[in-house]
Amino acid sequence: QVQLVESGGGVVQPGGSLRLSCAASGFTFSNYGMHWVRQAPAKGLEWVAFIRYDGISIYYADSVKGRFHISRDNSKNTLYLQMNSLRTEDTAVYYCAKGAYAFDIWGQGTMVTVSS
Amino acid sequence: DIVVTQTPLSSPVTLGQPASISCRSSQSLVHSDGNTYLSWLQQRPGQPPRLLIYKISYRFSGVPDRFRGSGAGTDFTLKISRVEAEDVGVYYCVQATQFPVTFGQGTKLEIK
Repeated sequence: QVQLVESGGGVVQPGGSLRLSCAASGFTFSNYGMHWVRQAPAKGLEWVAFIRYDGISIYYADSVKGRFHISRDNSKNTLYLQMNSLRTEDTAVYYCAKGAYAFDIWGQGTMVTVSS
Repeated sequence: DIVVTQTPLSSPVTLGQPASISCRSSQSLVHSDGNTYLSWLQQRPGQPPRLLIYKISYRFSGVPDRFRGSGAGTDFTLKISRVEAEDVGVYYCVQATQFPVTFGQGTKLEIK
């Protein structure tokens, strides 16, 4: 069964850091590009970052560039998002999604709340 | 950045009747490889998004055939031939032809 499971969310103060993980199963993780997408409360979807299947090409949204870092460990079938210098506007559910062009599988999401 | 604009933002529909959502991009979504990476997602209340349609018109595995995508270049449409109760939710178009990836604002489908 193809599955993505996010973890690592929580409550953090402004300026703090969190690392999200996305555990993949049921498919050959090392063959696929992966995205992080977030959704603020009662808002639409916002793309955050992408990493190519081999980790060589990486792209970020301007809103997180310089603060967030996407990475992957293909030996562990896991995608990561290191989030630094967090701001209140980063509060959202963070989803990982499979596929460079089609977002064909999504995880259930992990909630990140940035609040003092 | 490519701006993706959906209309309408809200669509009240009678059960069994058709529904249509439009998605327009600020520039052509044809990739250099010849493909057009425009997808449609459905997000039911309290659920993560789910892929319905990719590359304009290809239905993803398990998606009912009442969902149909069409279009080309900068203008795209998602049509539901006969709306069912389980179709309630928010629909997004998303382009992945060019980074940054951009989503439409979402269209809320509700039953009259």
